[in-house]
Amino acid sequence: QKEVEQNSGPLSVPEGAIASLNCTYSDRVSQSFFWYRQYSGKSPELIMSIYSNGDKEDGRFTAQLNKASQYVSLLIRDSQPSDSATYLCAVNPFYQGAQKLVFGQGTRLTINP
Amino acid sequence: DVKVTQSSRYLVKRTGEKVFLECVQDMDHENMFWYRQDPGLGLRLIYFSYDVKMKEKGDIPEGYSVSREKKERFSLILESASTNQTSMYLCASSPSTAVAKNIQYFGAGTRLSVL
Repeated sequence: QKEVEQNSGPLSVPEGAIASLNCTYSDRVSQSFFWYRQYSGKSPELIMSIYSNGDKEDGRFTAQLNKASQYVSLLIRDSQPSDSATYLCAVNPFYQGAQKLVFGQGTRLTINP
Repeated sequence: DVKVTQSSRYLVKRTGEKVFLECVQDMDHENMFWYRQDPGLGLRLIYFSYDVKMKEKGDIPEGYSVSREKKERFSLILESASTNQTSMYLCASSPSTAVAKNIQYFGAGTRLSVL
């Protein structure tokens, strides 16, 4: 089992709809969870961090964390063509120590006008 | 804003050459990282440094070394470049503060081609 798993996609969503991206992780005592967005040919940029169970909202983005089920998700409301990118889920497993992250392979999202 | 600067966006080197990739951050972060990113393999950690002159191997350190002589600068060295080291190399930094723990900030990346 991979440490951090994401559906590689591509995920295709019409403009204005909700895009839902999912990520599961294997280390039950993971501490921190992140979503990065990466445009083609560019470096990852942080869009959300979440540390405790529940929902965290920031503008059109909502991160959801369920530690009991070991998944974290990202919802993008009112999707825009500019949201088309690869979204990377990153997790800080407890065994890795305080600083390291393990990244999923990313989900490629396309928003269709 | 956090700024992580990688010295080159594109590099073309010959097999056997010694290659230096430089990374500088301006936020006084304790931790710095080097990753490579390849299609289908995702981001893989090469080396990590949590303080000046301190380093730890990541998942794929073979063929690479690192240097951190100053807090703001973390260098990745390919001792003898090989074609299988053709990749996108990403540098990142993060603070060791309780508030912003584990958040990593990335440089623009260096696309290295070894011919």
